[in-house]
Amino acid sequence: AQSVSQHNHHVILSEAASLELGCNYSYGGTVNLFWYVQYPGQHLQLLLKYFSGDPLVKGIKGFEAEFIKSKFSFNLRKPSVQWSDTAEYFCAVILLSNDYKLSFGAGTTVTVRA
Amino acid sequence: NAGVTQTPKFQVLKTGQSMTLQCAQDMNHEYMSWYRQDPGMGLRLIHYSVGAGITDQGEVPNGYNVSRSTTEDFPLRLLSAAPSQTSVYFCASGRTGSGNTIYFGEGSWLTVV
Repeated sequence: AQSVSQHNHHVILSEAASLELGCNYSYGGTVNLFWYVQYPGQHLQLLLKYFSGDPLVKGIKGFEAEFIKSKFSFNLRKPSVQWSDTAEYFCAVILLSNDYKLSFGAGTTVTVRA
Repeated sequence: NAGVTQTPKFQVLKTGQSMTLQCAQDMNHEYMSWYRQDPGMGLRLIHYSVGAGITDQGEVPNGYNVSRSTTEDFPLRLLSAAPSQTSVYFCASGRTGSGNTIYFGEGSWLTVV
């Protein structure tokens, strides 16, 4: 069974602080990896994705993520957060097999204090 | 959300009533799926499909039925609503295969009283 783990349930930061959110998945096949963001009252938006190639991927709004295959991890980072980054962040994985489906972690709520 | 349309946006049901949440996409996506979102539990997969005539169960399928008679539509049916099905429901679609993005609808807020 697919499993996606996000390490932090709730992170509270001050503006200009750096952010790192952990994500691990538990299967060894070829995967596609995603980070989605959900601002309060809104639907999911794609922040970034990894399919192949350079394991460091850059997304929108200054976010980046690093795929470390040996650690089954796909951690999200932002060097300097803003108040507007307050949102819920979800890691998601597709295992590229004949059972194609997108599975999510439980999410991390990020609160940025001005 | 790139053309994934969900209806209705809000619905209040009484326990035992039935209803269908509609999801449609016009991008010829093979993959479609339904999720429910509950506080602290992320998005949990209810049912999914990788093409017309093909459906499969996700993590939390009990109480829900789906069908995929066309590529475009993937309705989610609640046959006898229960208060535990109060949630926000999201439909998603995308092309299968590596390198493709999954797009989400705007969500349907369902309350069962």
